[in-house]
Amino acid sequence: DAKTTQPNSMESNEEEPVHLPCNHSTISGTDYIHWYRQLPSQGPEYVIHGLTSNVNNRMASLAIAEDRKSSTLILHRATLRDAAVYYCILPMNRDDKIIFGKGTRLHILP
Amino acid sequence: NAGVTQTPKFQVLKTGQSMTLQCAQDMNHEYMSWYRQDPGMGLRLIHYSVGAGITDQGEVPNGYNVSRSTTEDFPLRLLSAAPSQTSVYFCASSYGDPYYGYTFGSGTRLTVV
Repeated sequence: DAKTTQPNSMESNEEEPVHLPCNHSTISGTDYIHWYRQLPSQGPEYVIHGLTSNVNNRMASLAIAEDRKSSTLILHRATLRDAAVYYCILPMNRDDKIIFGKGTRLHILP
Repeated sequence: NAGVTQTPKFQVLKTGQSMTLQCAQDMNHEYMSWYRQDPGMGLRLIHYSVGAGITDQGEVPNGYNVSRSTTEDFPLRLLSAAPSQTSVYFCASSYGDPYYGYTFGSGTRLTVV
């Protein structure tokens, strides 16, 4: 099963863009790339996912490298409410099981 | 509102007591999972189910039992609570296709004394 590597923590200033990286060098051709986030004292919430092409939704954008060995979650204009732990996950194709790593703790500075 | 409902939100147990954490979803999701999250740690998969009548073990299944008699419900049973099971428990559900994301409940905070 493909694994992901993320920085332990990142900081960003409020109202600036944030780029959260994820490496997944052993990704297979059919693995989707999912991002979740966990706000303080809440359950995880789905953010975005993609397969090959870049994706946008109301929460964020997902940029996927051409070789698919890395991806970047982009928050276009961070707010204090975006302070959370962000998880990059590759669901297991055979049973859609998702295993969480340590994620990246994002700190937003006012 | 459609989603994953967990009850209770808080529970204190004495060592050796048993209890069931409830999880229900109304989205007709086939897949359901239980996770635990210890303070300052990531989420670890306890058990999961790919449909009614089918369950399997995750990363940390010891001390927990599950069953899935309906699509909607996936209860987690602690047979004999231990202080090491003090944690926040999250239930999640999905369509079972990696094209779709998981929906998580708001969690049950369990303390075993």
